[in-house]
Amino acid sequence: DAGVTQSPTHLIKTRGQHVTLRCSPISGHKSVSWYQQVLGQGPQFIFQYYEKEERGRGNFPDRFSARQFPNYSSELNVNALLLGDSALYLCASSLLAGPSYEQYFGPGTRLTVT
Amino acid sequence: ILNVEQSPQSLHVQEGDSTNFTCSFPSSNFYALHWYRWETAKSPEALFVMTLNGDEKKKGRISATLNTKEGYSYLYIKGSQPEDSATYLCAPGSDYKLSFGAGTTVTVRA
Repeated sequence: DAGVTQSPTHLIKTRGQHVTLRCSPISGHKSVSWYQQVLGQGPQFIFQYYEKEERGRGNFPDRFSARQFPNYSSELNVNALLLGDSALYLCASSLLAGPSYEQYFGPGTRLTVT
Repeated sequence: ILNVEQSPQSLHVQEGDSTNFTCSFPSSNFYALHWYRWETAKSPEALFVMTLNGDEKKKGRISATLNTKEGYSYLYIKGSQPEDSATYLCAPGSDYKLSFGAGTTVTVRA
């Protein structure tokens, strides 16, 4: 069975540009969450989507947006990139939404902003 | 955002030795506590989801306990092996999100 997949694996962008990161959840999972991880810190919550609706948003600026498609895959968009957006972006899927459901993580997309 | 603390930040263990480390979190508004193992260049791997005070979980040589009233969880590794080398993350779950600690990085020396 395929796990959570993310694309691309690595990405280099210039300040001010826009980026789209993609995530495919485990088959049958209806919830997708996005996290940002910078070196030395744990992953920080960005968004959770369930059944195509935003269920929660972390403390990130409006430059960050996301959506979930009818097939439950998801995109994370970041506009007007800043150097500080350089990080590993992780996607996680779970069967349903809620704090007690196990979240399964993908390998992440490494974003470098120059 | 919950204030989650993990200690120590890192530790070195001799192969065959046992070890443990701590996750502290606010005890109010608690729903669940997740433990993950994250090896370099791999995805974080779910170890346990714990919800009840006094709960104990075990997976092979790794086990965890939970105290929701005082807001802490211990993770134990018995008879450490080189393949146990990883960063171990804890994350209390509340509402719709997990709030991760910075992790404890375990290095097992052969």
